[in-house]
This record gives sequence, structure tokens and C-alpha cells, in this order.
Amino acid sequence: LAKTTQPISMDSYEGQEVNITCSHNNIATNDYITWYQQFPSQGPRFIIQGYKTKVTNEVASLFIPADRKSSTLSLPRVSLSDTAVYYCLVGGATNKLIFGTGTLLAVQP
Amino acid sequence: SQTIHQWPATLVQPVGSPLSLECTVEGTSNPNLYWYRQAAGRGLQLLFYSVGIGQISSEVPQNLSASRPQDRQFILSSKKLLLSDSGFYLCAWSEGRGVSYEQYFGPGTRLTVT
Repeated sequence: LAKTTQPISMDSYEGQEVNITCSHNNIATNDYITWYQQFPSQGPRFIIQGYKTKVTNEVASLFIPADRKSSTLSLPRVSLSDTAVYYCLVGGATNKLIFGTGTLLAVQP
Repeated sequence: SQTIHQWPATLVQPVGSPLSLECTVEGTSNPNLYWYRQAAGRGLQLLFYSVGIGQISSEVPQNLSASRPQDRQFILSSKKLLLSDSGFYLCAWSEGRGVSYEQYFGPGTRLTVT
């Protein structure tokens, strides 16, 4: 399972777009990139998953460059309720997910 | 729709006492089941996962054990708790067919060992 590196914390203001970048230099050919969100005292919640280029859903967008050695989670127009820890995970042909320490996003009014 | 239950929500146990945490899933068949632990301010640590009844894979050697007596029931146990067992315990499930990176987490059990 590829190791991921992401910022420990980020600050933003309501209404701004937030981009959280994750590095995964050792990503394997069959690895997918997955992002989870976790609020305090709750279990993580799946946000988005992708393999290459761009994926968008109702919550976020995921940008993956051609070399796939990094990925960027984009949250449009964040609100206070988006304050949470965001985890980037990379996994292949296995159901095991390895969570790092994630990025604590603090959204201020 | 699928739901996942965990109990108890909070637990305070003395060192050396036994532990039993239960997780059940409804609305799906043959799910993959997982136990995670999260220490304060840390990421999640995968403890056990199961792809079927009686099939348990241990990720971290320690004084915890897991069992899956029924298809949608997953139990985390310990014979003697240590102070270091304190943490937030999360059960999760994913679809059993193929590989799935989308896991659904339960509400968690906050365990404090005193």
C-alpha cells in the first residue's frame, strides 16, 4: 500500500474554495485514490474516489495528474460545517484501507 | 438501506478487566467487516478485518481479538485490558463482492481504561 503525505492542517474562510493536496509517489498501477472526511467523535465518511484525471460529485472534485503521484481534493465554497479532518488513501487490489493522520481543515467565519 | 450498529457508545473499564464490543450490520449480505482504533489526535489504525464468517485477519499483534460468529456480526474482545487500549473504536463494513474502497463506519465506542 502506497504511503501518502498531506498537510497536517489548513485554514480557510467561509465561501472560499479549498484545495488539499496529497502526495503518493509510490502509487502502483492498480491503486485507486480515495478521500474520507471525519468529524470529531464520528467515523470517517467516504467523499470521493478516482483513478486518473478528474472526478466530480455533489460534494467535491478530485484532480489527479497524469503521473498520479499526487492528487488534489477540491471543496467548493466551504462552510463552517466543512471543518473536519480529511484523509487521503491509496489502495490497490485489497479491501484494506490505511489511514494516515489526515489534514485538519479549519473553516472560519 | 444498510445500517451499522455499535454498542456501547462509551465505556470505562479498569485495567485488567475483559472487553467485549459488538457491531452488527443490517441490509446487506456477506459484507467485509473491519475494526479500527483511533487514539486521541491520531489517524485510524486497522485492527482486524473479516471477509466471511470465522475468517479474521489481524493487522496489529496485541491483546485484542476479534470474532465473526454470524455473517453480519463482528465482535472485538480482550481478556485483560491495558491502559494503552484506551481509544475510539470504530466498526466498518464494505461490499463483499470485489474490491471496495468505500467503507461505511459505525458511530464508534469510546473506551477509557483507568
